[in-house]
Amino acid sequence: NAGVTQTPKFQVLKTGQSMTLQCAQDMNHEYMSWYRQDPGMGLRLIHYSVGAGITDQGEVPNGYNVSRSTTEDFPLRLLSAAPSQTSVYFCASSYNRGGYTFGSGTRLTVV
Amino acid sequence: QQQVKQSPQSLIVQKGGISIINCAYENTAFDYFPWYQQFPGKGPALLIAIRPDVSEKKEGRFTISFNKSAKQFSLHIMDSQPGDSATYFCAATRGTPLVFGKGTRLSVIA
Repeated sequence: NAGVTQTPKFQVLKTGQSMTLQCAQDMNHEYMSWYRQDPGMGLRLIHYSVGAGITDQGEVPNGYNVSRSTTEDFPLRLLSAAPSQTSVYFCASSYNRGGYTFGSGTRLTVV
Repeated sequence: QQQVKQSPQSLIVQKGGISIINCAYENTAFDYFPWYQQFPGKGPALLIAIRPDVSEKKEGRFTISFNKSAKQFSLHIMDSQPGDSATYFCAATRGTPLVFGKGTRLSVIA
């Protein structure tokens, strides 16, 4: 049972490049979310999904896109990377809206 | 607007002591209040959670105290151990994704 799998674990991008952070869960969870973690800022919600085909914006959605074509996968796309997007990104999933399981994170640096 | 306020930012406790972390929320519609523990380089992990119909929940050395009228809840770690050294996040939800506090870095020293 893998839980929530995030890839890659580390990534360096140049300003303006695009990329997709992958997130997959094998627990058949309906609820999935993306957070970014910055020092002193806690965990801030980027986008979330309550089921396949349904997504919504969180607190800091600008510069990011998501889609949810299957229950298992919830990729996060950076359209044109900026240094302000340097952060650690966490994907999480839940079956009951509250008890979220987190992945191990993707550490992204934009230069 | 910060919906969940957490204090203190950092905390140093002697081994065997009690660690107390406090959170306050604004939205009275919140109906689930979890605490997460995060070790360096790892994702947050659910530690303990409470719903507003109870005032206290205990799991081993970890206790959540909940004060609905004051819109506050706190995490107490009894007999704190060096292995408890981590960052702790409180959170709240009303059926949408979790809203997190900014975290408390706990250091337990021998």
